[in-house]
Amino acid sequence: DGGITQSPKYLFRKEGQNVTLSCEQNLNHDAMYWYRQDPGQGLRLIYYSQIVNDFQKGDIAEGYSVSREKKESFPLTVTSAQKNPTAFYLCASSIDRAGEETQYFGPGTRLLVL
Amino acid sequence: SQQGEEDPQALSIQEGENATMNCSYKTSINNLQWYRQNSGRGLVHLILIRSNEREKHSGRLRVTLDTSKKSSSLLITASRAADTASYFCATDADSNSGYALNFGKGTSLLVTP
Repeated sequence: DGGITQSPKYLFRKEGQNVTLSCEQNLNHDAMYWYRQDPGQGLRLIYYSQIVNDFQKGDIAEGYSVSREKKESFPLTVTSAQKNPTAFYLCASSIDRAGEETQYFGPGTRLLVL
Repeated sequence: SQQGEEDPQALSIQEGENATMNCSYKTSINNLQWYRQNSGRGLVHLILIRSNEREKHSGRLRVTLDTSKKSSSLLITASRAADTASYFCATDADSNSGYALNFGKGTSLLVTP
């Protein structure tokens, strides 16, 4: 059963804490992405990775970090430097360049601050 | 950066009616895509239209693209309650995002029985 999964579904963060959101895909896609969605808003790009061991900052990378050690996995860490982390986080993947290919999205992780 | 802007922000119709959503963008594109998002869920790809295409159909969906006006429309015919969702357009216009898509803020569609 192919697809893209995210965990956990809900995540609570305390002040000053780093938290990591998981994203896994078994679609054999090269490219992976992290987006942030705030209520009533569209998606804003945090980081993207076109290939293993390579990733690039998106429009709102400050306060976030990523790694791409395996093709299947693209975890996102929300660091304590991100002062307003409450949002819905979406991970996506595509075969290659997103502009020429469909992006497949995970179900999302909702991050809340305690 | 958000390239596309959907219009209207919200749309409420009755089952059986047609729903039309519009998307405008600012810079030249190679492709434009439409996605659907049910509340609290991930996005699902609906249709991709290339810059050299003017119209595309998929089931009850019809997408048009007018590159001279930098706009696209999504028409859902004979709408159903299950079509209730947010609809986003996304473009591949070059930006700091490189290979990612630029999404608009979406149109929230409510279809009532």
